[in-house]
Amino acid sequence: GQQLNQSPQSMFIQEGEDVSMNCTSSSIFNTWLWYKQDPGEGPVLLIALYKAGELTSNGRLTAQFGITRKDSFLNISASIPSDVGIYFCAGQLRSGSQGNLIFGKGTKLSVKP
Amino acid sequence: DAGVIQSPRHEVTEMGQEVTLRCKPISGHDYLFWYRQTMMRGLELLIYFNNNVPIDDSGMPEDRFSAKMPNASFSTLKIQPSEPRDSAVYFCASSLEGALSGNIQYFGAGTRLSVL
Repeated sequence: GQQLNQSPQSMFIQEGEDVSMNCTSSSIFNTWLWYKQDPGEGPVLLIALYKAGELTSNGRLTAQFGITRKDSFLNISASIPSDVGIYFCAGQLRSGSQGNLIFGKGTKLSVKP
Repeated sequence: DAGVIQSPRHEVTEMGQEVTLRCKPISGHDYLFWYRQTMMRGLELLIYFNNNVPIDDSGMPEDRFSAKMPNASFSTLKIQPSEPRDSAVYFCASSLEGALSGNIQYFGAGTRLSVL
């Protein structure tokens, strides 16, 4: 089946540092989504991207939809302890095909105060 | 809106018992999804419904798993009989099809299932 390669698998950073993670695929996606999952909770949407090249920010978070439509990255600037969690990318293969939302394996972020 | 509501939050049962997980999607959403999350396999889509009709159940592991959506505001995922390898966190998500929403899925808090 289709797969998303998300990296890195985990990150240990110091508070205040910037973070970058990305997802790549061999398939073309129409939508890229970035979610964050806190311990004991469900994934919560952070940013949604709909067009190739689109760059969108949400506070200290910035995500981009790759030009080739096969990749996306998420940056977090000036990390803080509450950024701890697992970040998932998700891509939708075809417009109007709700079930074709494929998730990456996640990037586990740890922030040292 | 209260978001997607799942119950119970935690379930501990013995092998062979029947387990029923419940989900109330966001009001007005026309898609409902059931996922399973494990450390080894990450998030796996089990089944999804559109307007209460199952569309794709190819992710359901085996016949022990079944899902129903009797109406727009309620769905169940049943495992009968349960096995220890079914231990995982099960998530329900819902979405509203439309150009603006971009098919964004909203997740519940999950049910953590432990089968002993």
